[in-house]
Amino acid sequence: DAGVIQSPRHEVTEMGQEVTLRCKPISGHNSLFWYRQTMMRGLELLIYFNNNVPIDDSGMPEDRFSAKMPNASFSTLKIQPSEPRDSAVYFCASRPRGANTGELFFGEGSRLTVL
Amino acid sequence: AQSVTQLGSHVSVSEGALVLLRCNYSSSVPPYLFWYVQYPNQGLQLLLKYTTGATLVKGINGFEAEFKKSETSFHLTKPSAHMSDAAEYFCAVTLGTGGFKTIFGAGTRLFVKA
Repeated sequence: DAGVIQSPRHEVTEMGQEVTLRCKPISGHNSLFWYRQTMMRGLELLIYFNNNVPIDDSGMPEDRFSAKMPNASFSTLKIQPSEPRDSAVYFCASRPRGANTGELFFGEGSRLTVL
Repeated sequence: AQSVTQLGSHVSVSEGALVLLRCNYSSSVPPYLFWYVQYPNQGLQLLLKYTTGATLVKGINGFEAEFKKSETSFHLTKPSAHMSDAAEYFCAVTLGTGGFKTIFGAGTRLFVKA
């Protein structure tokens, strides 16, 4: 079975550019999470969705960040405009339907470098 | 506020020695606790979890953890370290309030010396 699929795996961009990160959760999973990982701040929960609806976006750093989940099989995290301090690894994770206390399944991450 | 604290950002052990990684949580409601492992350039994968029932839980690769409510702890142990255990380990808690979101500790990097 395919796991959580993230794209791109690596992105290098210049300050001010728009960045879009993509995630395809595991089929049948209905919760989706976006995390950001940096050396300084560790793993931060940015936003999560349940049944395509955003439940908690209190971790989104600022208005430059936005996330959508138009359907059960696709989500995007957008940064516009990007800044060097946004450089990090962004992980998407999903959780099975009916398993609110269950494990998260992680993608391999998207490494973003903003110059 | 709910939180997860991992004591020690780096732990170094010799091959064959006991591994002990510490995790304490703060939660006003019964938590669901997890340990994840991350190898370089990879996502996180589950080692073990505690939801209800037996407080000593066993996971993959010989790891186990014990939920101690009185100490609000969920420390991870392995009797004998192997070189392949070198990785970063994250303690996590899923909270039953606020929609079952999962938050992670800062992580502990385990080094295993030959």
